Amino acid sequence: AQSVTQPDIHITVSEGASLELRCNYSYGATPYLFWYVQSPGQGLQLLLKYFSGDTLVQGIKGFEAEFKRSQSSFNLRKPSVHWSDAAEYFCAALPNTDKLIFGTGTRLQVFP
Amino acid sequence: EPEVTQTPSHQVTQMGQEVILRCVPISNHLYFYWYRQILGQKVEFLVSFYNNEISEKSEIFDDQFSVERPDGSNFTLKIRSTKLEDSAMYFCASGTSGDYNEQFFGPGTRLTVL
Repeated sequence: AQSVTQPDIHITVSEGASLELRCNYSYGATPYLFWYVQSPGQGLQLLLKYFSGDTLVQGIKGFEAEFKRSQSSFNLRKPSVHWSDAAEYFCAALPNTDKLIFGTGTRLQVFP
Repeated sequence: EPEVTQTPSHQVTQMGQEVILRCVPISNHLYFYWYRQILGQKVEFLVSFYNNEISEKSEIFDDQFSVERPDGSNFTLKIRSTKLEDSAMYFCASGTSGDYNEQFFGPGTRLTVL
């Protein structure tokens, strides 16, 4: 079945540490891929997206993600986390329809 | 920067009542969507809408749900007879094209059914 998997439900890092959030997809062809962030009580904000071309994409707030076809992955990274990055992060895929398929999310907690 | 807006931000209703959730998509967008997120769960697709008709709907979107674009700016989701399990955050989204389309999300309406 078509799906997006985020294996880490909850991640805790110290402020200033590096971050990597994992995302895997299972589709026959490469879908379009997205990362969204949701702060408590807020809506979904697009961090970055991958459609084609360069497999390393830059987003807002210092985030980047790397698409790896061989691993069916689209992991989100940030070199140095800030306390304000604490939020829920959702990976999403857009296969050959206009229906976004979301992962279950990863809750990021940042300690000072 | 244009954005999707949703009203109300929070709606509390009694079980069995009808609710209408409102959305104003970005003005030049032609494709409209509703998603929902039950507390603690992932965001789920409900329905997509284009050219004044439903393009696709999920199994969640049963006869109790309907969508409408009553004028040139609003896009509404109606739940005819709410159930406790309809309590969720409902997100509206819009986009400029269909497949392989970036969708812009509104801030959501939190629906609480008592």
